[in-house]
Amino acid sequence: EDQVTQSPEALRLQEGESSSLNCSYTVSGLRGLFWYRQDPGKGPEFLFTLYSAGEEKEKERLKATLTKKESFLHITAPKPEDSATYLCAVQAKNSGYALNFGKGTSLLVTP
Amino acid sequence: DVKVTQSSRYLVKRTGEKVFLECVQDMDHENMFWYRQDPGLGLRLIYFSYDVKMKEKGDIPEGYSVSREKKERFSLILESASTNQTSMYLCASSSQGDPLYEQYFGPGTRLTVT
Repeated sequence: EDQVTQSPEALRLQEGESSSLNCSYTVSGLRGLFWYRQDPGKGPEFLFTLYSAGEEKEKERLKATLTKKESFLHITAPKPEDSATYLCAVQAKNSGYALNFGKGTSLLVTP
Repeated sequence: DVKVTQSSRYLVKRTGEKVFLECVQDMDHENMFWYRQDPGLGLRLIYFSYDVKMKEKGDIPEGYSVSREKKERFSLILESASTNQTSMYLCASSSQGDPLYEQYFGPGTRLTVT
């Protein structure tokens, strides 16, 4: 059975304090791994898709990386506006287009 | 920009009522999905559809049904609402293709069943 585990569940950072969020996955053939950002009371907002081990993508202060067993979302010099819940999701080959989501990491960046 | 809209942001219904949640997307996406999101449980897939009049059960379909009569619209139906269906409901859509395309989400409907 496909599994997605995110850690930590919650993370508190000072503004400017870089850190990483982890997404470990077990899937029978990875087709794609997605990162989303979700603000309170809103729907998830797409950030990145990663397709193969070794791939990296960047957007502003965020950088996502992928290995065969996990993905990291690195946050460099975060700002308070980066506070949100970050969700990781995977899709396995031969499983249609549905995504399997982790439970998310709630990030709080304080000034 | 892809836009996914949901009929209500907040909804309060009584136990036993029939509830309709509507979702519309404007990007001609083939795939549409309904999730519910609960604290500590994350997003769980209820139903999805890859084409008009087609539907597939997700991980937690019990107590729900869906309808897709037009490509742009996907409805979630609670036949007889119960208090354990109080939740945030999220609709999403995506295009079919390879490489895989991302899902775009609507703003969500927070449903309270009393």
